[in-house]
Amino acid sequence: GEDVEQSLFLSVREGDSSVINCTYTDSSSTYLYWYKQEPGAGLQLLTYIFSNMDMKQDQRLTVLLNKKDKHLSLRIADTQTGDSAIYFCAEGGNKLVFGAGTILRVKS
Amino acid sequence: DTEVTQTPKHLVMGMTNKKSLKCEQHMGHRAMYWYKQKAKKPPELMFVYSYEKLSINESVPSRFSPECPNSSLLNLHLHALQPEDSALYLCASSQKGDSEKLFFGSGTQLSVL
Repeated sequence: GEDVEQSLFLSVREGDSSVINCTYTDSSSTYLYWYKQEPGAGLQLLTYIFSNMDMKQDQRLTVLLNKKDKHLSLRIADTQTGDSAIYFCAEGGNKLVFGAGTILRVKS
Repeated sequence: DTEVTQTPKHLVMGMTNKKSLKCEQHMGHRAMYWYKQKAKKPPELMFVYSYEKLSINESVPSRFSPECPNSSLLNLHLHALQPEDSALYLCASSQKGDSEKLFFGSGTQLSVL
């Protein structure tokens, strides 16, 4: 079945870059997604990439997709304390499959 | 308006109570979803409504009963819940019922005593 794996925790200093990694199994997904969840809140669609693209940049966010290795990454440039949250990678067709989430902690 | 609005934000109920969770979106989306999220876990899909018809039920116990009165509204009726049903219940919507680009509400934090 479909499976999405992420590292569980990342700690960075304010101003540094953060890179959150994800691997997935279903190569038929049209889109792959990154969602952000702050404490006590719902999931915010942060960014997504079409499956036939290698890279997407959106302000401080860069998404890289390696279809051959089924590897997705999210880079956050100039990480701020407001970026502290749980980041979920997700893929899938008519049903999204989420990774377990990566807790990003930003130290000031 | 890119919001999905859920009410109430918090709910405490006893195991014999009947309550309802409500969700509303005005983005013209034709699909709406209920997810359940336990602490420090990813969301788990419960139900999908596409064009006001139930298209996916992930073998959810009958004590959870969804209802889609129209394409903008989604309810989740709760009856005889168990303490293990305590969780964050998230509503989401998308343009079509294919889970592309889901927009989530902020959730209802439910505690069952």
